[in-house]
Amino acid sequence: DAKTTQPPSMDCAEGRAANLPCNHSTISGNEYVYWYRQIHSQGPQYIIHGLKNNETNEMASLIITEDRKSSTLILPHATLRDTAVYYCIVYAWGSGNTGKLIFGQGTTLQVKP
Amino acid sequence: EAGVTQFPSHSVIEKGQTVTLRCDPISGHDNLYWYRRVMGKEIKFLLHFVKESKQDESGMPNNRFLAERTGGTYSTLKVQPAELEDSGVYFCASSQGAAEAFFGQGTRLTVV
Repeated sequence: DAKTTQPPSMDCAEGRAANLPCNHSTISGNEYVYWYRQIHSQGPQYIIHGLKNNETNEMASLIITEDRKSSTLILPHATLRDTAVYYCIVYAWGSGNTGKLIFGQGTTLQVKP
Repeated sequence: EAGVTQFPSHSVIEKGQTVTLRCDPISGHDNLYWYRRVMGKEIKFLLHFVKESKQDESGMPNNRFLAERTGGTYSTLKVQPAELEDSGVYFCASSQGAAEAFFGQGTRLTVV
């Protein structure tokens, strides 16, 4: 089972920031938080990941709370093309896990004009 | 650089027939994963190769599914004989070491 909890759906106005929350209260100390998204019927696309520090790349920012029990993915200026299902996944390489991703239901983000 | 490619993109077969899906990972990626999404359900892990060896096949649903990765390059996933419940989208992903995984566009399998 997925170790994360996400709202099933969210709306965002085009051009505004989209803030997608994720709860991972049972996260272990060596587990990273990964975000992927799936646009329509395409394959999942990697967005960003982090351990405990906030991270930013060309696609998004990831804010992880100090206790690491929750995080927020931020798309700073959402466009219609960002409409997708967003998955928050936690895992640690090693300890019997070598990259297997456990997908939950994710959050369906609808960006509206 | 080419991404993960999967072939075919769509396949419609009759119940009882055999289908073989192919995945070409990103060149140099030792890790290759198969996932699938059946209608209305979550994306589920099937198995993981490291080079040509099966590292984890805990997600394979039954012995009608056979995955191979001869030579540690491309991989095939054969379903024989196919059943109606095998319908879904099959994704392949690859990664190098502990880096993030890149997914292909998937193969949509429909068993009628």
